[in-house]
Amino acid sequence: QKEVEQDPGPLSVPEGAIVSLNCTYSNSAFQYFMWYRQYSRKGPELLMYTYSSGNKEDGRFTAQVDKSSKYISLFIRDSQPSDSATYLCASTLYSGAGSYQLTFGKGTKLSVIP
Amino acid sequence: EAGVAQSPRYKIIEKRQSVAFWCNPISGHATLYWYQQILGQGPKLLIQFQNNGVVDDSQLPKDRFSAERLKGVDSTLKIQPAKLEDSAVYLCASSSNTQGANVLTFGAGSRLTVL
Repeated sequence: QKEVEQDPGPLSVPEGAIVSLNCTYSNSAFQYFMWYRQYSRKGPELLMYTYSSGNKEDGRFTAQVDKSSKYISLFIRDSQPSDSATYLCASTLYSGAGSYQLTFGKGTKLSVIP
Repeated sequence: EAGVAQSPRYKIIEKRQSVAFWCNPISGHATLYWYQQILGQGPKLLIQFQNNGVVDDSQLPKDRFSAERLKGVDSTLKIQPAKLEDSAVYLCASSSNTQGANVLTFGAGSRLTVL
């Protein structure tokens, strides 16, 4: 079983809609939970990360973690065509020697239609 | 701050040929990662370096893939001989480990097509 599961979509929404992206994870040892955004033919870039259960807000983006159910969510308010990208959830695990590993989900491809 | 540099951006080879990818991480970043991203999938870790030592290479197909990070800075990933299933984007990332969240900064990737 893959450690981070994510529905690959694709997901298509009209401009201005609220978008909900979700992941589940299986490893209780995961410490940080991240969302990366990847535009076509680019590397992933970090959107935001959280540590504890609860919500974290950054502008139009809200990340939510529920450790009891091992559930990770990203909400995008007032979605824009520029938000069209693949969104990757990821979790970190301490791998020793002062370094960490990042395990990714498959990514959800989002299209925001003008 | 300059980003993570990778080259070449694109490479097309025949199966059984060899290829090498180069990565220059962000200055001062101790940890360097190589990920493989197959079309429609999330990145999969191939190898992780801490300075010039290997932390994890458990998912690296060692019969055909090799990687090195000389002097704890630049890194090279080599594939020899290549197979059709190696067609993917090879992403290099680095992190400074100054934050517990271990934020990775990725390069744009090297896209490999094996014919």
